Amino acid sequence: AQSVAQPEDQVNVAEGNPLTVKCTYSVSGNPYLFWYVQYPNRGLQFLLKYITGDNLVKGSYGFEAEFNKSQTSFHLKKPSALVSDSALYFCAVREEASTDKLIFGTGTRLQVFP
Amino acid sequence: DTAVSQTPKYLVTQMGNDKSIKCEQNLGHDTMYWYKQDSKKFLKIMFSYNNKELIINETVPNRFSPKSPDKAHLNLHINSLELGDSAVYFCASSRVPRETQYFGPGTRLLVL
Repeated sequence: AQSVAQPEDQVNVAEGNPLTVKCTYSVSGNPYLFWYVQYPNRGLQFLLKYITGDNLVKGSYGFEAEFNKSQTSFHLKKPSALVSDSALYFCAVREEASTDKLIFGTGTRLQVFP
Repeated sequence: DTAVSQTPKYLVTQMGNDKSIKCEQNLGHDTMYWYKQDSKKFLKIMFSYNNKELIINETVPNRFSPKSPDKAHLNLHINSLELGDSAVYFCASSRVPRETQYFGPGTRLLVL
């Protein structure tokens, strides 16, 4: 069965510092991996995805994520955090050969302090 | 130029009532979804439709019935509302099945 784990409920980082939000996954076949962000009282916004190819994926708002097959991880990163990045971040996975079902992690709240 | 829109944004109702949430997308996508986000922010898919046909139907009570009058709309009707139905319901769409899903702003349902 497919599953996603986001081990940290909350990540705190000072503005200007690099940030990492962790995600690990479990699928039987090849994974399709996604990151979404949810701002307060808003819907989910798509940030980036990994389907195949380069392990480093660049997305919206300066975010990037690195796919690591051996560690089954897809951590979200940004070189320099902004206060406006404070939000809830969701990692999601779909197995390549599966139906359309996206499995979401439990979310990580990112707090960026000025 | 809203891509995926939902109405209403907030819905407060009594137990036992029947209510509907509407979703519309203007992206020209073929596939639409409903997700439920509980109080702990856990997101789970409920249904998906492709070209007005049901393709995913998770273990959701029969009280929930999706209706897709056309490819641009996917409405969610809920009968006999229960306290546990209180949640945020998100609609999403993708160009075709298994492509990136784009979400609406959510409908916050509170059952009293």
